[in-house]
Amino acid sequence: GAGVSQSPSNKVTEKGKDVELRCDPISGHTALYWYRQRLGQGLEFLIYFQGNSAPDKSGLPSDRFSAERTGESVSTLTIQRTQQEDSAVYLCASSFAGGGAQYFGPGTRLLVL
Amino acid sequence: KNEVEQSPQNLTAQEGEFITINCSYSVGISALHWLQQHPGGGIVSLFMLSSGKKKHGRLIATINIQEKHSSLHITASHPRDSAVYICAVRLGNEKLTFGTGTRLTIIP
Repeated sequence: GAGVSQSPSNKVTEKGKDVELRCDPISGHTALYWYRQRLGQGLEFLIYFQGNSAPDKSGLPSDRFSAERTGESVSTLTIQRTQQEDSAVYLCASSFAGGGAQYFGPGTRLLVL
Repeated sequence: KNEVEQSPQNLTAQEGEFITINCSYSVGISALHWLQQHPGGGIVSLFMLSSGKKKHGRLIATINIQEKHSSLHITASHPRDSAVYICAVRLGNEKLTFGTGTRLTIIP
């Protein structure tokens, strides 16, 4: 595709429910990143995938958060038992190689009621 | 103290003015990114640099590795440049650490 795509663009859920966010990176990009931006705050790193290497999960805020990536394609970020503090824009980015310029998707705006 | 500090936090200028946004970091890095986030939330990567200077149109980014400092300059600023500009550094592994951003408003 022409760019990084994410779905859904908006998600409203009730506290305690699980949500799954999807990211389709640019074709051929081996590196994929998930970030979070809470309202009025800066971007926070969540997780990084590079090829078939073990992902860098050091930014995941709790064990309720997990992410998977199928080969070098789509990635899903799952948040279990959502809490109100999980409300944020979740951004995905991809790059041709680890350390290359990152191209960001439009984000998924998550609201936990 | 954040590892990445930006200044100013907010900047308002008249159309046509020369704009400078600064970024300082406290640790050794492998690269520095400048990102632009528009009011709708979309993020665009402007520059990635590890030394020297890069130019793209009216935008110029410089980095001084010894001083741990980078600047983003905008020449002949225009209202469409209004956005949040974010500095991010890569600390040797691949994840980015972000500054809090500079909100730029250009008044016609």
